[in-house]
Parts: sequence; C-alpha cells; structure tokens
Amino acid sequence: EPEVTQTPSHQVTQMGQEVILRCVPISNHLYFYWYRQILGQKVEFLVSFYNNEISEKSEIFDDQFSVERPDGSNFTLKIRSTKLEDSAMYFCASSADRGGDGYTFGSGTRLTVV
Amino acid sequence: QQQVKQSPQSLIVQKGGISIINCAYENTAFDYFPWYQQFPGKGPALLIAIRPDVSEKKEGRFTISFNKSAKQFSLHIMDSQPGDSATYFCAASKIDKLIFGTGTRLQVFP
Repeated sequence: EPEVTQTPSHQVTQMGQEVILRCVPISNHLYFYWYRQILGQKVEFLVSFYNNEISEKSEIFDDQFSVERPDGSNFTLKIRSTKLEDSAMYFCASSADRGGDGYTFGSGTRLTVV
Repeated sequence: QQQVKQSPQSLIVQKGGISIINCAYENTAFDYFPWYQQFPGKGPALLIAIRPDVSEKKEGRFTISFNKSAKQFSLHIMDSQPGDSATYFCAASKIDKLIFGTGTRLQVFP
C-alpha cells in the first residue's frame, strides 16, 4: 500500500535554529498538507498546498513557517526560528482529490525544541 | 464554528463490548466526516468516513451513525478487541482542511 514518508522521525533543535521537515507524498497525489499535534492534544491543520502554492493556512502558520515542493517528489516544512512551543509531532499528508477523502498521513516527525 | 467536540475523553471497555464515541459540529458547510485511529508514535489512519447524505455506514465491526439535524455523529465499535486500543479522532471537512476532535483514548481489556 502506498505510504507518505517523513524524515527525520525525530529532530532535536536549539531554540532559534531553523529546521526543515521533509515528506515524500504518495506519487500520484496532488494535494499536500502539514498538520501538527502537540503532545496529548488534538491534531491541528497548518497548511494545504496545491499546484505549487498555498491554498489555505491556519493562524498557527505564521511568517516563521514556509512550505515548498522543491522537486517532483519532496514536500518540505521549514520553521525559520524555532520556539519552545513549536515542539510537537508534525504530520505530512497527501490526497488525490480535494474534499478530505483519501487523505493519507505519514508517521510524523517529532520535533523537540530545547 | 470551526470546532468539532468529541466525547468521552477516555473509554474503558471489556473485550467483546461495544465502544461508542460521540462528536458534534457546528458548521453546516462540513461535508465529509471521517474517523481516524492513531496508535502511539504513528500518524492518524483513516478508519471509516461518511458524507451527510447517509445516516449510517458500516464497515466490518465499525459503524458511523450520522444525525444531520442534530449535527452529531458517532462511531460504534462492535465486539471490541484489545487490538482496538488506540486514540480515536473524529474530524470534519469542507474542501480539503480537516478539523479534528480532541480525541478519545480507548482501552479494551481482555
């Protein structure tokens, strides 16, 4: 079964440093997403991306965050200057169509900011 | 209006019993209601989903009941098994953004 692959599985970074979280979506999917889950809390939408541009973003997705699809396979989330409160699990997801159907999530990257 | 409220927060069920998790939403524009299962250290995995034009959907031991007028939907797990022990999230979607509930931690004891 096709998978969404995320790397690294765990990243520890110092406050103020830049981090890039990487994702390889399912190959024929066209819509890409980032969500985050602070430990023990619900999963929260960050951003959706289609046709090389952001289609929607949440209030959490401020100027510190950016997304990019640098080539035909990778989808990245960059946090420019990490804060302690950015510590969370970050999930990448992809889907073939709009409308929520057929979302596939990756296993996540646990980001720890110290 | 974008919230999805989920209850209970945790649920303990004996093997063979029925697990019931409830969700309520406010935004009538939502048109897709999935349930996700999440094991520790893993991403959410789609379990079953429903659209508002049907009132019930069953897949194996899992059933979604949907009440459009009350803006509520629920997940029923029949014959619950220890392997069902996980966190369950309801969600609602319009277009492509999923709004998740707060999650229910289900523990099934033998």
